[in-house]
Amino acid sequence: DAEITQSPRHKITETGRQVTLACHQTWNHNNMFWYRQDLGHGLRLIHYSYGVQDTNKGEVSDGYSVSRSNTEDLPLTLESAASSQTSVYFCASSESSDYNEQFFGPGTRLTVL
Amino acid sequence: GQNIDQPTEMTATEGAIVQINCTYQTSGFNGLFWYQQHAGEAPTFLSYNVLDGLEEKGRFSSFLSRSKGYSYLLLKELQMKDSASYLCAVTSMNYGGATNKLIFGTGTLLAVQP
Repeated sequence: DAEITQSPRHKITETGRQVTLACHQTWNHNNMFWYRQDLGHGLRLIHYSYGVQDTNKGEVSDGYSVSRSNTEDLPLTLESAASSQTSVYFCASSESSDYNEQFFGPGTRLTVL
Repeated sequence: GQNIDQPTEMTATEGAIVQINCTYQTSGFNGLFWYQQHAGEAPTFLSYNVLDGLEEKGRFSSFLSRSKGYSYLLLKELQMKDSASYLCAVTSMNYGGATNKLIFGTGTLLAVQP
């Protein structure tokens, strides 16, 4: 069955370290998204991609980067982790239209000490 | 800009009906989604509305009024497993011309009591 996976599921790191969160989907979806979820803020869009070599900034992109070298993967990199980036991160994918729901991965809980 | 409002928390009784409201202010509105999220889990899709009216899916229904910038999710015959957060999200033609880009509200935490 097609799915979307994230790894690791839990990560503890130190301030200033580079961290990469993986997202892999097997639906062959063109659209992929990264969100962070914090209490009181809901889901906020970090970066998104509409296909290979395409990346775009979301509303909270500072301190994050993504790359899309194939259809299946959209890794999220925190260049220099900060305590404010402690959060739960969700990856999602969808087909290419406004009418298709996004399928979410199980999430990664990241703690920056 | 865009603004999406939902109540923070609601409580209801098993077997009853509950209505969760969502109001939005978004230019170029192009559709509204409802997602369910159980604690510690990923959001899962419940419904999509783009035209005015009611969409029914089993125990769950979603209503949209584009002129009022208003939607609600109606849950009937509540079960304990319906205890979850319910997220309202909108998409807009003005989001940089992008497709399927969503802006989420902060969610409504529903507690179903016996």
